[in-house]
Amino acid sequence: EPEVTQTPSHQVTQMGQEVILRCVPISNHLYFYWYRQILGQKVEFLVSFYNNEISEKSEIFDDQFSVERPDGSNFTLKIRSTKLEDSAMYFCASSELVGTQYFGPGTRLLVL
Amino acid sequence: DAKTTQPTSMDCAEGRAANLPCNHSTISGNEYVYWYRQIHSQGPQYIIHGLKNNETNEMASLIITEDRKSSTLILPHATLRDTAVYYCIVRARSSNTGKLIFGQGTTLQVKP
Repeated sequence: EPEVTQTPSHQVTQMGQEVILRCVPISNHLYFYWYRQILGQKVEFLVSFYNNEISEKSEIFDDQFSVERPDGSNFTLKIRSTKLEDSAMYFCASSELVGTQYFGPGTRLLVL
Repeated sequence: DAKTTQPTSMDCAEGRAANLPCNHSTISGNEYVYWYRQIHSQGPQYIIHGLKNNETNEMASLIITEDRKSSTLILPHATLRDTAVYYCIVRARSSNTGKLIFGQGTTLQVKP
């Protein structure tokens, strides 16, 4: 059964460093999403992406964040200058249409 | 998107049916009810969704009341592996971004 994959599973970085989180969505899906979950808190929407552009972003998704689909398979989330409060689980999701989203296993980001 | 209300936690005996309620009294006619679950900080897992008819798949059944103001997710024979946080989410059918808004969900503890 096709699934969303994410790499790395864990990432430790120093405050101020750039990180890139990678996702491989399900192959025939057209809509892509990033969510995050700070430890003990709710899953929060960050951004949705369709047709090579952002379709919606939350207030969390400020200028420090960017997304890209550099090729036909990967979907990335870049945080330019990480802050302590960026420590969280980051989940990628994809959907064929604006319908059921399937989530990846997540990347646990720890900013020191 | 309509707000949902779920109990904070529930227990269920292994092998018995788990019935998880959700109130969505402000739901509008074009909004679907989605259920996801999250097992111990893994990525949210899609379970089932419906508009107004009851739905069943290999994981669960979804019962939506006639007025659509509430629904119940039924896991017919709960196992220990069904211990998770269950999220009821309402989302517009015509949403152009598809973002999911997660609440706190119901923590289901399946006990031996």
